[in-house]
Amino acid sequence: SYELTQPPSVSVSPGQTARITCSGDALPKKYAYWYQQKSGQAPVLVIYEDTKRPSGIPERFSASSSGTMATLTISGAQVEDEADYYCYSTDSSDNHRVFGGGTKLTVL
Amino acid sequence: EVQLVESGGGLVQPGGSLRLSCAASRFTFSNFWMSWVRQAPGKGLEWVANIKQDGSEKNYVDSVKGRFTISRDNAEASLYLQMNSLRAEDTAVYYCVRGGNWGDYWGQGTLVTVSS
Repeated sequence: SYELTQPPSVSVSPGQTARITCSGDALPKKYAYWYQQKSGQAPVLVIYEDTKRPSGIPERFSASSSGTMATLTISGAQVEDEADYYCYSTDSSDNHRVFGGGTKLTVL
Repeated sequence: EVQLVESGGGLVQPGGSLRLSCAASRFTFSNFWMSWVRQAPGKGLEWVANIKQDGSEKNYVDSVKGRFTISRDNAEASLYLQMNSLRAEDTAVYYCVRGGNWGDYWGQGTLVTVSS
């Protein structure tokens, strides 16, 4: 089966830049998507098709993808950005749709 | 704003069945693939199943194949998940999601607990 690998946790101070990575063998060919999930809430899409930001998502959220790694960047992280972040993609044949294990972002 | 409201969760014994529903509104339901995604307590997200706009194509994660059936009623703007032969490891919050390969809108979820 296919796997996407994320670091379990990332910690930054308010105003700093947070970077969360996601690695997967098919990422050179498949888009990455990023979801934010705050405690007790449903996930929210923050990035789609590697780099695109849905309307209503703050500009401090951006992303990139190069080779087998996708990266979510939060520039000037705020306390309200504390959440679990999940990357999502598919394997090269679209047979497996998978989420990464999630990264807990702490901003304090 | 798109609205997705799940219902039908609850406590069920191992081996039992449950049918989840998702009522969609504020968008043209029949134009979109739809999916179910679940999250076990304290765990990560797991994509479960999706269904094409007209119901002609369905896909499932290996762990639920043969036990779960996804379906939809476009006239009622509703999505369903029939879950049979439930196991303890199916315990999770089940989310209704707009989209097939990825989802842009999620419901608030309904909790399914499989326990004796």
